[in-house]
Amino acid sequence: DIVMTQSPLSLPVTPGEPASISCRSSQSLLHSNGYTFMDWYLQKPGQSPQVLIYRTSNRAPGVPDRFRGSGSGTDFTLKISRVEAEDVGVYYCMQTLQGRTFGQGTKVEIK
Amino acid sequence: QVQLQESGPGLVKPSETLSLTCSVSGGSISGYYWSWIRLPPGKGLEWIGYIHYTGDTKYDPSLISRVTMSVDTFKNQFSLNLYSVTTADTAVYYCARLTSDGGYHYIHYWGQGTLVTVSS
Repeated sequence: DIVMTQSPLSLPVTPGEPASISCRSSQSLLHSNGYTFMDWYLQKPGQSPQVLIYRTSNRAPGVPDRFRGSGSGTDFTLKISRVEAEDVGVYYCMQTLQGRTFGQGTKVEIK
Repeated sequence: QVQLQESGPGLVKPSETLSLTCSVSGGSISGYYWSWIRLPPGKGLEWIGYIHYTGDTKYDPSLISRVTMSVDTFKNQFSLNLYSVTTADTAVYYCARLTSDGGYHYIHYWGQGTLVTVSS
């Protein structure tokens, strides 16, 4: 089973400042087709989760361009260029190479 | 716009079966993968599994002995059965639809979630 490990688990942020979340997988998420199988999701307070990034670096429809996903192999990063108040919530990475496995979640809140 | 709505009992007794249905509106169930995900209280998201409209399934290894999913294309619904539940199965259960981009499937549309409590 692939284990996903996120850091940090709690991230206080200042509006207007950048923020970054890391995710590490227990084995490479590189598929034989050359793509790396990893998504990012955000669950805002009181809402259902929503997709932000799929296949490592593709922004889902409607997602602001301040969100950027990157990485390869076993190391991945979600960056927010300038945090807005509406970005608070719990962020999850998820591997999609073998079934699906979520990371533990990173709680982002305003300082 | 695709909408999903979970339905089923909010309270299930230990050792019994948790059964949920997801009704899909605004689009056909055909042609897509459909998934169940849960959020236990105080914990993170857990993937339960997915089912293709053809009936092909893939379940999380930790639940594979206790879970089945099914699809009803006529009713535009899909369902989850989780057997022999314990208090550890208490969670908000979400149904969801996967969207394909060039053959890569990501979880795109989510239901609002339904809380299922396992308690005697």
